[in-house]
Amino acid sequence: ELKVEQNPLFLSMQEEKNYTIYCNYSTTSDRLYWYRQDPGKSLESLFVLLSNGAVKQEGRLMASLDTKARLSTLHITAAVHDLSATYFCAVVLRGTGANNLFFGTGTRLTVIP
Amino acid sequence: DAGVIQSPRHEVTEMGQEVTLRCKPISGHNSLFWYRQTMMRGLELLIYFNNNVPIDDSGMPEDRFSAKMPNASFSTLKIQPSEPRDSAVYFCASTLTGTGWPREKLFFGSGTQLSVL
Repeated sequence: ELKVEQNPLFLSMQEEKNYTIYCNYSTTSDRLYWYRQDPGKSLESLFVLLSNGAVKQEGRLMASLDTKARLSTLHITAAVHDLSATYFCAVVLRGTGANNLFFGTGTRLTVIP
Repeated sequence: DAGVIQSPRHEVTEMGQEVTLRCKPISGHNSLFWYRQTMMRGLELLIYFNNNVPIDDSGMPEDRFSAKMPNASFSTLKIQPSEPRDSAVYFCASTLTGTGWPREKLFFGSGTQLSVL
């Protein structure tokens, strides 16, 4: 089984500040996803990272993947209140499919005005 | 595209009662997943269907849980009898597998909040 750890679990940050969420996983993978979940809502896919060194950006969020370190980061630039949500990374066991998608514990982000 | 549709959104029942959760995947998707989300255990995969056939049910916690997919557009997750520890949010997700990695992005439904008293 693949273990996925995120840190921090809770993050409270002020608007306009920058911060990074980390996602570590325990065994080789060839796909990593970042999802966002608003309170009481479903999970929305943000990024899919497929290769070492991959970087994806949308708005104030940028995700990167280092497969050698088994690490992905989600960087938040100049946070705004609308980014408050729980962010999950999820990793697929290498050589398998979506049924072997393991989720991290989630990082609950609160952006304070 | 209406997305993955789940019903009901909320279910409150008493211990011992049967509970049925329903899911309609996105049209054209060939894989369907049932997940359970709790504070303690996070998101757990319960069962995975491919082309309406259960492929991996190793995550189903007990015999009280069963899932069916009678056709490509409908699946049910049943708990009988229900227990308070089954209280959680149950998500259904679907995707199109076998067409390359980038397309294997899971699309989640809105979830069913189950409370067993």
